[in-house]
Amino acid sequence: EPEVTQTPSHQVTQMGQEVILRCVPISNHLYFYWYRQILGQKVEFLVSFYNNEISEKSEIFDDQFSVERPDGSNFTLKIRSTKLEDSAMYFCASSERVGNTEAFFGQGTRLTVV
Amino acid sequence: AQSVAQPEDQVNVAEGNPLTVKCTYSVSGNPYLFWYVQYPNRGLQFLLKYITGDNLVKGSYGFEAEFNKSQTSFHLKKPSALVSDSALYFCAVRSARDSNYQLIWGAGTKLIIKP
Repeated sequence: EPEVTQTPSHQVTQMGQEVILRCVPISNHLYFYWYRQILGQKVEFLVSFYNNEISEKSEIFDDQFSVERPDGSNFTLKIRSTKLEDSAMYFCASSERVGNTEAFFGQGTRLTVV
Repeated sequence: AQSVAQPEDQVNVAEGNPLTVKCTYSVSGNPYLFWYVQYPNRGLQFLLKYITGDNLVKGSYGFEAEFNKSQTSFHLKKPSALVSDSALYFCAVRSARDSNYQLIWGAGTKLIIKP
């Protein structure tokens, strides 16, 4: 069964450093997403991406964040200068369509900023 | 504003008994409702969804959920629980009137099935 894969599973980085989280969405999906879950809190939407551009983003997704689909298979989330409060589980997801269509999620990348 | 509430942090059920995990929502317009399950060290796995039509929807692993528009609820149910159902369950909602893209999530309910 096709699945969304994320690498790495765990990333530790120093405050102020740049990190790139990687995802390979399901191959025939057109819509891509990043969500995050800070420990003990709800899952939060960060950004959606379609046709090589951001279709929607939340207030969390400020100038420190960027997304890219560099080669037609990978989908990346970059955090330019990490802060302690960026420590969270980051989930990538993809879907065939939007609206009433379910998204399929990767296993997550646990980012720890020290 | 859209929101999802899962009023129980944890639900304990004996194996073989029926289980219910509660979810209520608040959106403008018609909701699209989803249940996801998360096993330890795994991602969020889609279980089932309600779009329109029959209020009782069936999904993976014998789970079902009942949409109740008047109570704005979408409770997850299973007639006979298995120990392997023990996991974290998330309810999520999307409304085309608010956003075609983002899911709004509940806080999650830990389901513990005891042998």
